[in-house]
Amino acid sequence: GQQLNQSPQSMFIQEGEDVSMNCTSSSIFNTWLWYKQDPGEGPVLLIALYKAGELTSNGRLTAQFGITRKDSFLNISASIPSDVGIYFCAGQLYYGQNFVFGPGTRLSVLP
Amino acid sequence: DVKVTQSSRYLVKRTGEKVFLECVQDMDHENMFWYRQDPGLGLRLIYFSYDVKMKEKGDIPEGYSVSREKKERFSLILESASTNQTSMYLCASTVTGVYGYTFGSGTRLTVV
Repeated sequence: GQQLNQSPQSMFIQEGEDVSMNCTSSSIFNTWLWYKQDPGEGPVLLIALYKAGELTSNGRLTAQFGITRKDSFLNISASIPSDVGIYFCAGQLYYGQNFVFGPGTRLSVLP
Repeated sequence: DVKVTQSSRYLVKRTGEKVFLECVQDMDHENMFWYRQDPGLGLRLIYFSYDVKMKEKGDIPEGYSVSREKKERFSLILESASTNQTSMYLCASTVTGVYGYTFGSGTRLTVV
């Protein structure tokens, strides 16, 4: 099946720093989603992207749909302790198909 | 508040036991999914269902079956649990055409 790669696998940052992570695929996707999973909970949708080049924000989070349609990026500004968790990207090849999930980026925020 | 509820947060079962994981959603969603989550592997789709009594295999259906007798309930069945089925199991649901799955809190299953 289709596979997504996420980079980095894990990261440790200081509180207040900005964070960047990305998701790549060898296939072209028509929709990208970003989820966050708090420890011991299920993933929660953060941002949805529908068009190549689209830039969407949700508070301190900003995500972009890559212009090649093979990648997506998530940035978190001024990180805080509650940003800790696993961030998953998910892509959809075409409308109606199930989403494919990446392996996740584990974020740790040091006080 | 809309919800996907998984009946157990933690389960410990013995090898060879038949295991039922239950998932209920209160959002009248047509589509329901079962994933397993393992470190470094992300979320892998086991089975999904687009309607009552319908089921489709996902990427890793071996060793699992499902049941959807009512729209709001989707059950995952491990016919004979094995230690390699120790994992976090996540249920999700969505409405066709609406992006973004709503996930349950997960069931952490340990098979000993």
